[in-house]
Amino acid sequence: AQSVTQLDSQVPVFEEAPVELRCNYSSSVSVYLFWYVQYPNQGLQLLLKYLSGSTLVKGINGFEAEFNKSQTSFHLRKPSVHISDTAEYFCAVNPGNKLIFGAGTRLAVHP
Amino acid sequence: EAGVAQSPRYKIIEKRQSVAFWCNPISGHATLYWYQQILGQGPKLLIQFQNNGVVDDSQLPKDRFSAERLKGVDSTLKIQPAKLEDSAVYLCASSLGSPVVYEQYFGPGTRLTVT
Repeated sequence: AQSVTQLDSQVPVFEEAPVELRCNYSSSVSVYLFWYVQYPNQGLQLLLKYLSGSTLVKGINGFEAEFNKSQTSFHLRKPSVHISDTAEYFCAVNPGNKLIFGAGTRLAVHP
Repeated sequence: EAGVAQSPRYKIIEKRQSVAFWCNPISGHATLYWYQQILGQGPKLLIQFQNNGVVDDSQLPKDRFSAERLKGVDSTLKIQPAKLEDSAVYLCASSLGSPVVYEQYFGPGTRLTVT
């Protein structure tokens, strides 16, 4: 069965520093991979997705992620974070026509 | 375009009471999803509709949860009777079609507290 592991429950970082949020998945078949962001008291919003092709995927708000099939990882990165990036970030994988989400990583950006 | 609307935003009930949540998806979106998000966890799919038919309800606790999507537009999710472990945020999402390549758009959620 497919599953998603987000290795860090919380990531504190200073403003303008780089950040990486880690995501590993398990699947015996090819998958699609997603990153969603959830701001306080809001629903989830799609940041980026990997369907096929280039393993480096660029998303909104300056985020990017790299699909690594050999390491079954899909880590999210941003070279310079802003206070406004403070939110919960969810990695997701699809088995068939539904999404399975990881437990989330809370990114806290400090001035 | 208007987003996914949900109501109420917050609800507090006592255990064994019943509660209903309402969702209005984005116009033209054929697929509608209900997720349960327990504090500290990622969203878990409860039920997926394609128009007014159920595609997947394998994780819906059918002894107490029910959902319907009459006329393939609005949807309601009901819990009867509620248990303490039902305390969570209930998210509604919609997409143009069922295949996961179609982006899911999420509503703000309903935060349910069962006391």
